[in-house]
Amino acid sequence: AQSVTQLGSHVSVSEGALVLLRCNYSSSVPPYLFWYVQYPNQGLQLLLKYTTGATLVKGINGFEAEFKKSETSFHLTKPSAHMSDAAEYFCAVSASGSAQKLVFGQGTRLTINP
Amino acid sequence: EPEVTQTPSHQVTQMGQEVILRCVPISNHLYFYWYRQILGQKVEFLVSFYNNEISEKSEIFDDQFSVERPDGSNFTLKIRSTKLEDSAMYFCASRPYNYEQYFGPGTRLTVT
Repeated sequence: AQSVTQLGSHVSVSEGALVLLRCNYSSSVPPYLFWYVQYPNQGLQLLLKYTTGATLVKGINGFEAEFKKSETSFHLTKPSAHMSDAAEYFCAVSASGSAQKLVFGQGTRLTINP
Repeated sequence: EPEVTQTPSHQVTQMGQEVILRCVPISNHLYFYWYRQILGQKVEFLVSFYNNEISEKSEIFDDQFSVERPDGSNFTLKIRSTKLEDSAMYFCASRPYNYEQYFGPGTRLTVT
């Protein structure tokens, strides 16, 4: 079975500050890892994904995440926060196989202070 | 850019009524999914569909739920007799052969 834990249901940073959203996963098989963003009243948009290969992955809007197997982590970072980054962020894991259902974390609401 | 669409955006129904939520996945995608998100909670997997049959379903997906791909474009989720606890945002997703799932904007279902 797979699971995802996102530390911090709410994170608040100042505009221009570093954004760090934490995600730890549990998986009995090599995982595929994803970060999705949800803006108010909208669906889920993929920010970035890790499947195989390079452990530092870059996504849209300046976000990146690093897969650390030894720490079972996939934290999301952005060097400088922008007001438009305010949203809900979800970390998700899936396993290889035909279905590849996504198992989501609880989400982290990111607030940007001016 | 192709996108997953869902209709309606908001559905209000009375307890015990049947509802059908509709999705149009991205053309040429092979795998289809339904997820739901109860207000304030995490997004939960309901069911996956491939090659015209269910490939996996969660324990939430009981006999009250069914999915269908009636033609080459639509993918529907039916709830036969809605309960108050079915109130949630329902997301449809599709993906091609590789890993990335594309999500629709969701249908907010309110059961009164």
